[in-house]
Amino acid sequence: AQSVSQHNHHVILSEAASLELGCNYSYGGTVNLFWYVQYPGQHLQLLLKYFSGDPLVKGIKGFEAEFIKSKFSFNLRKPSVQWSDTAEYFCAVYLAGGTSYGKLTFGQGTILTVHP
Amino acid sequence: DTEVTQTPKHLVMGMTNKKSLKCEQHMGHRAMYWYKQKAKKPPELMFVYSYEKLSINESVPSRFSPECPNSSLLNLHLHALQPEDSALYLCASSQNRALTDTQYFGPGTRLTVL
Repeated sequence: AQSVSQHNHHVILSEAASLELGCNYSYGGTVNLFWYVQYPGQHLQLLLKYFSGDPLVKGIKGFEAEFIKSKFSFNLRKPSVQWSDTAEYFCAVYLAGGTSYGKLTFGQGTILTVHP
Repeated sequence: DTEVTQTPKHLVMGMTNKKSLKCEQHMGHRAMYWYKQKAKKPPELMFVYSYEKLSINESVPSRFSPECPNSSLLNLHLHALQPEDSALYLCASSQNRALTDTQYFGPGTRLTVL
């Protein structure tokens, strides 16, 4: 079965530090990739997504992610984090074809804590 | 407007109770989803409805019964739940089930089973 792995469970940074959150998936077919964010007390929100084309995608709030097909990876980056980026971040994969069509599979999540 | 609403926000029920969770969207989306999220875990898909028909049931116990009465509404009927069913239940919707369709999530219903 397909799976999504996020390398870090909890990341703690100071403001202005750079961020990279790792995401790897195990599926050889066509995938679409997402990063969702869940701020404290709020619902899941889409940060960015990759369907095709330029493997470097830009999302909201200065986030970007790079799809590296050969590494089955979709890492999230931000050059300079802010205290307001404190949240839980989920990588998710949407598969093409088969009986799982329409199934969004999430990674375990990474909690990001940014200290002022 | 990309809003998915869910009611109630919180629900406490006993193991013999029958209750329902409600989800609503007015974005014209034709695919709707139920997810379950346990504490410190990612959301896990339970059901997918497409054009008001059940498309995916991820082997969910029959004590959870979904219903899609129309294209805007999605219900989850609960009966004889167990304490381990306590979780955040999330509803989502998307334009269709196409790979390019983004799923929009509601705030969830936090369910506690006593």
